[in-house]
Amino acid sequence: SQQGEEDPQALSIQEGENATMNCSYKTSINNLQWYRQNSGRGLVHLILIRSNEREKHSGRLRVTLDTSKKSSSLLITASRAADTASYFCATDPTSGSRLTFGEGTQLTVNP
Amino acid sequence: KAGVTQTPRYLIKTRGQQVTLSCSPISGHRSVSWYQQTPGQGLQFLFEYFSETQRNKGNFPGRFSGRQFSNSRSEMNVSTLELGDSALYLCASSPGQGAVQPQHFGDGTRLSIL
Repeated sequence: SQQGEEDPQALSIQEGENATMNCSYKTSINNLQWYRQNSGRGLVHLILIRSNEREKHSGRLRVTLDTSKKSSSLLITASRAADTASYFCATDPTSGSRLTFGEGTQLTVNP
Repeated sequence: KAGVTQTPRYLIKTRGQQVTLSCSPISGHRSVSWYQQTPGQGLQFLFEYFSETQRNKGNFPGRFSGRQFSNSRSEMNVSTLELGDSALYLCASSPGQGAVQPQHFGDGTRLSIL
């Protein structure tokens, strides 16, 4: 079973709008990572946030982590058509040593 | 640096056959992990190799096996193929063992079982 659950499963927005995706997980973690996957391609690492961090920025990306609620969010600001992809959160649980992926959010940015 | 390279990109097999997939990690990366991606099950961890040793294994039957060579290149083998093995198989590399570092993925091998 998946450790993380993304919400929503699918999101459609217009270029220039912000996109917010949420991830919930079940166990204690060392870190949480976000990845992007374009259709038919491999995953690309976006950002890693450690369990003792609450917020992290990278360009147009902003990630928050709330370990008390076991949840994270990914915000993409000023979205572009090129941001159209599936986005996955992945957790590194303290009880294991492998990444566990959620089911992903399919983001469509309309030009 | 060249990225993670997986070969072949596409493969068509029939039930009962066996298949070997190859993964060349980023130069200097010693850890290679394999994942199976399907529409129904999402991304499922298969196994991780580090310094030629399997360090972690997911919940897959023994038909799924792998190995890693001294140059860190890895192969994955699936024997007695079943229709349900149709999937995108992804390989990821990182400098060290475990999930404390970002994983660098290849574009995968699309395996179709007829």
